[in-house]
Amino acid sequence: LAKTTQPISMDSYEGQEVNITCSHNNIATNDYITWYQQFPSQGPRFIIQGYKTKVTNEVASLFIPADRKSSTLSLPRVSLSDTAVYYCLVGAINTGTASKLTFGTGTRLQVTL
Amino acid sequence: GAGVSQSPSNKVTEKGKDVELRCDPISGHTALYWYRQSLGQGLEFLIYFQGNSAPDKSGLPSDRFSAERTGGSVSTLTIQRTQQEDSAVYLCASSLLGYNEQFFGPGTRLTVL
Repeated sequence: LAKTTQPISMDSYEGQEVNITCSHNNIATNDYITWYQQFPSQGPRFIIQGYKTKVTNEVASLFIPADRKSSTLSLPRVSLSDTAVYYCLVGAINTGTASKLTFGTGTRLQVTL
Repeated sequence: GAGVSQSPSNKVTEKGKDVELRCDPISGHTALYWYRQSLGQGLEFLIYFQGNSAPDKSGLPSDRFSAERTGGSVSTLTIQRTQQEDSAVYLCASSLLGYNEQFFGPGTRLTVL
């Protein structure tokens, strides 16, 4: 069971790059790392997913070192609307089996002008 | 449908009563998940359904909690003899088989008086 640890909160100014790190020392071979964003009174929303090295999409990048014991979500040039809680999820969904999904404690990002 | 829907959006009940929470996943999604989120806390995995496989119930906190998924689509989470500590937002998510990107519903806010 991959337990995850994230910073409780982070502050940033608009236009800056924000990096949020998640530690998952017990990650299993089949586990993927997924990041979600959650606004108040809403369900989480998928941001990005990766297995190793670097993944980039239109909103974020995900950096995963070779040992996969941590991962870093990078948000380029944040805006006020990026103020939210960000969750790291480690787990694997395999046909015929299932593993307990572990969400991190979440990082509350506050972006100000 | 366009997304995952949950009903009711809010439920207030008295301690000791049973409640049923409903989740309608995205059409074609074979995987369905239930989570619980207490005020200001992260997401706690409850149960996972995938296709016709036996559900992963490893996250259910007690035998008062149960869930079923009929016809591989709609799911119902039942909490018997509710307690005040059951008060939380119950989130449902679905995903395509073999993918880890989960699409979350808006949640059901349960308040046990």
